[in-house]
Amino acid sequence: DSGVTQTPKHLITATGQRVTLRCSPRSGDLSVYWYQQSLDQGLQFLIQYYNGEERAKGNILERFSAQQFPDLHSELNLSSLELGDSALYFCASSPQQGHYGYTFGSGTRLTVV
Amino acid sequence: GIQVEQSPPDLILQEGANSTLRCNFSDSVNNLQWFHQNPWGQLINLFYIPSGTKQNGRLSATTVATERYSLLYISSSQTTDSGVYFCAVAGNQFYFGTGTSLTVIP
Repeated sequence: DSGVTQTPKHLITATGQRVTLRCSPRSGDLSVYWYQQSLDQGLQFLIQYYNGEERAKGNILERFSAQQFPDLHSELNLSSLELGDSALYFCASSPQQGHYGYTFGSGTRLTVV
Repeated sequence: GIQVEQSPPDLILQEGANSTLRCNFSDSVNNLQWFHQNPWGQLINLFYIPSGTKQNGRLSATTVATERYSLLYISSSQTTDSGVYFCAVAGNQFYFGTGTSLTVIP
């Protein structure tokens, strides 16, 4: 167990729907990062939060949004889902703002049908 | 963004063999990490190594930041080493390479 908890582990949903992925960071870590891993795009950085504030944005679609709550857990919301959104979504956490000391969760496998 | 290239893309080894995986990157970086993604999809942090050499059991890594490359050495490979090895470098975000897929056969 890495200490980073992601739920659910698997999700199957239909096109056009909306889902929420949840991440609890490792104890003491203030930064949360979201990544998407698909077969054709590899691992893509989506967004980072640090202590509740958005810190960096990567290749995140406008249909996707995220937030980090006061207890430091984070949620990634995916809406108007398309078949191409099927992927493994990872959350990682680290103690500080910089991209080091990453610990990844076990991921949420999203299948859009 | 920073380009990260890993080689070889695929590697098949007999159990007990040694291997070297390479990661080249296109710009100066603050941080470099090696990860192993096991066959179940889990990403495991192997090394945080922006420069220098580190060893952890049968694995070791060396980063030469001035020449923009890093090497991951796997000695006496085991079937449990199978999976994909990613190099990731940090600029303003974390950039992952496309990985080296390693299969260790008994």
